[in-house]
Amino acid sequence: GQSLEQPSEVTAVEGAIVQINCTYQTSGFYGLSWYQQHDGGAPTFLSYNGLDGLEETGRFSSFLSRSDSYGYLLLQELQMKDSASYFCAVRDTGGFKTIFGAGTRLFVKA
Amino acid sequence: DTEVTQTPKHLVMGMTNKKSLKCEQHMGHRAMYWYKQKAKKPPELMFVYSYEKLSINESVPSRFSPECPNSSLLNLHLHALQPEDSALYLCASSHVRLAPSYEQYFGPGTRLTVT
Repeated sequence: GQSLEQPSEVTAVEGAIVQINCTYQTSGFYGLSWYQQHDGGAPTFLSYNGLDGLEETGRFSSFLSRSDSYGYLLLQELQMKDSASYFCAVRDTGGFKTIFGAGTRLFVKA
Repeated sequence: DTEVTQTPKHLVMGMTNKKSLKCEQHMGHRAMYWYKQKAKKPPELMFVYSYEKLSINESVPSRFSPECPNSSLLNLHLHALQPEDSALYLCASSHVRLAPSYEQYFGPGTRLTVT
């Protein structure tokens, strides 16, 4: 089976840097994805790591260590609009079934 | 066009009603998904269609009946639902094989309330 763990809530101030961790247990592994979801909105894809290392997309970066079954999402120069839920997700070995973590609710304060 | 559209946005139905949710995408994606999401929970996969054929049914009750009439459309037919089925129903699409990522594009969802 597959399971992912991430913190339920994180609070940070505007302009700061925040890291959201995700650990996973999977029977197969096709990479770790991150999605953002604002209240009342749809999940939006942020990033994907298929190999170890850091992927950077603007203010967001994502890291993966397959040997540690661990990844994180790094958000820099936090803005109020970054207040949202962030989900890490993995695909199963079949390729279609996406398993989402429980989500981390990020609160950005002024 | 990188948009997935869903109709209706909101739906209130009684337990004896029959209704349908609709989803459309024009990105050329050949995989389409239905998810159910309860408040403060992650999306839970219900069904996956690949090349218009049902690939995955996550043991969803038969009161939910999916249909994929063509490569751009996905429907979810609802019948005899229970109040606990009230949730946000999300449609998503993706390429069947896409390296390096498996990005899914989500629609805005249908907020369903069963009374």
